[in-house]
Amino acid sequence: DAGVIQSPRHEVTEMGQEVTLRCKPISGHDYLFWYRQTMMRGLELLIYFNNNVPIDDSGMPEDRFSAKMPNASFSTLKIQPSEPRDSAVYFCASSQTSGGHYEQYFGPGTRLTVT
Amino acid sequence: AQSVAQPEDQVNVAEGNPLTVKCTYSVSGNPYLFWYVQYPNRGLQFLLKYITGDNLVKGSYGFEAEFNKSQTSFHLKKPSALVSDSALYFCAVRDRGNTPLVFGKGTRLSVIA
Repeated sequence: DAGVIQSPRHEVTEMGQEVTLRCKPISGHDYLFWYRQTMMRGLELLIYFNNNVPIDDSGMPEDRFSAKMPNASFSTLKIQPSEPRDSAVYFCASSQTSGGHYEQYFGPGTRLTVT
Repeated sequence: AQSVAQPEDQVNVAEGNPLTVKCTYSVSGNPYLFWYVQYPNRGLQFLLKYITGDNLVKGSYGFEAEFNKSQTSFHLKKPSALVSDSALYFCAVRDRGNTPLVFGKGTRLSVIA
């Protein structure tokens, strides 16, 4: 398996623009997680899905952030409008609960810079 | 609520010496415990996990961790450190329900040649 795939790897945008981050989880995994990592706040859970349904979005910082999972193999995290304080590395992770597997597998991340 | 504490922001060790990265946790019930490693500009990589059974868990790259229920700890260890082990290490915990992992703040390990 190719692992969790994220795109783009790097994104530079201007304040006020819409940003869309994409994630393809590992095939067969039923949980998908979006995290944000910054030096100041460390690793923060933004939202997670189970079987494509959002379970907990309490970590989403503001209404400017939204996430969707239209099918088992694709998820997006959208920021509209973007602000400089959104600059961070955004990770997607997936996990499989069947068979006693609970570890999450992380993608390489998207480094977002908002100027 | 679940929580993880990694009391050291930075651990320095000489190459060839044993290393320990500390982790303590708080969770209701029996925990699932994990260690991850993050190299620069990379995602987190799974190292090992404790679910049940033997308190000493062996993982990737020669790492192991010891689950201590009475001390609520899950310290990461390696008998002989390599320079290539230098990275950021995260401890994580979850309870037995369908909840996501809760991560510690990370410990930066620096192995000096």
